[in-house]
Amino acid sequence: NFMLTQPHSVSESPGKTVTISCTRSSGTIASNYVQWYQQRPGSSPTTVIYEDNRRPSGVPDRFSGSIDSSSNSASLTISGLQTEDEADYYCQSDDSSHSIWVFGGGTKLTVL
Amino acid sequence: QITLKESGPTLVKPTQTLTLTCTFSGFSLSTSGVGVGWIRQPPGKALEWLALIYWNDDKHYSASVRSRLTITKDISKNQVVLTMTNMDPVDTATYYCVHSPHSVGTWFGPWGQGTLVTVSS
Repeated sequence: NFMLTQPHSVSESPGKTVTISCTRSSGTIASNYVQWYQQRPGSSPTTVIYEDNRRPSGVPDRFSGSIDSSSNSASLTISGLQTEDEADYYCQSDDSSHSIWVFGGGTKLTVL
Repeated sequence: QITLKESGPTLVKPTQTLTLTCTFSGFSLSTSGVGVGWIRQPPGKALEWLALIYWNDDKHYSASVRSRLTITKDISKNQVVLTMTNMDPVDTATYYCVHSPHSVGTWFGPWGQGTLVTVSS
């Protein structure tokens, strides 16, 4: 099976832009869609990006997703950071048979 | 509006079987492409996908706990049930029920509120 590796934590100031990476250990990142979930403290996760770069309705366009085949990684970029963006973010993808779903270890975003 | 809610015991003893029920509204599990899954999160740790059942009764399980899991659906009751046998303290976690929409890829949303299950004697 494969793993998705994320940085443990990132921090940035309000109004700035932050990027969170998600590196796939084996298999090609571009072969399986990547999703990103936001989990605020004490709350259930919500989807902010699905199918690499699509936003569910209600998610502001400050959130964007991308894939970089050269580094076999996906990225979540949040621009115009707001204090409400402070949360844990998890990437998720599936295996080549589309029957096993894997989450990254999560990244704690601090907006200070 | 899609909603999901988990129910079940908050405390189970080691070796016992856990049965969790997800009751949902706002969609039908007989609709092509739709699925319902279970994901857990130990306290302070990352999310872990456990199981997923599709509208056509196609079922998928995490390799790490496959031998202990069973997922079933009851379309008439709008419910999905997860059973996990031989519970251990390491299974202590918040268990989430999730909707998987009909889409090109498989993704999860929305999520239920989660239910904390503690395994202790």
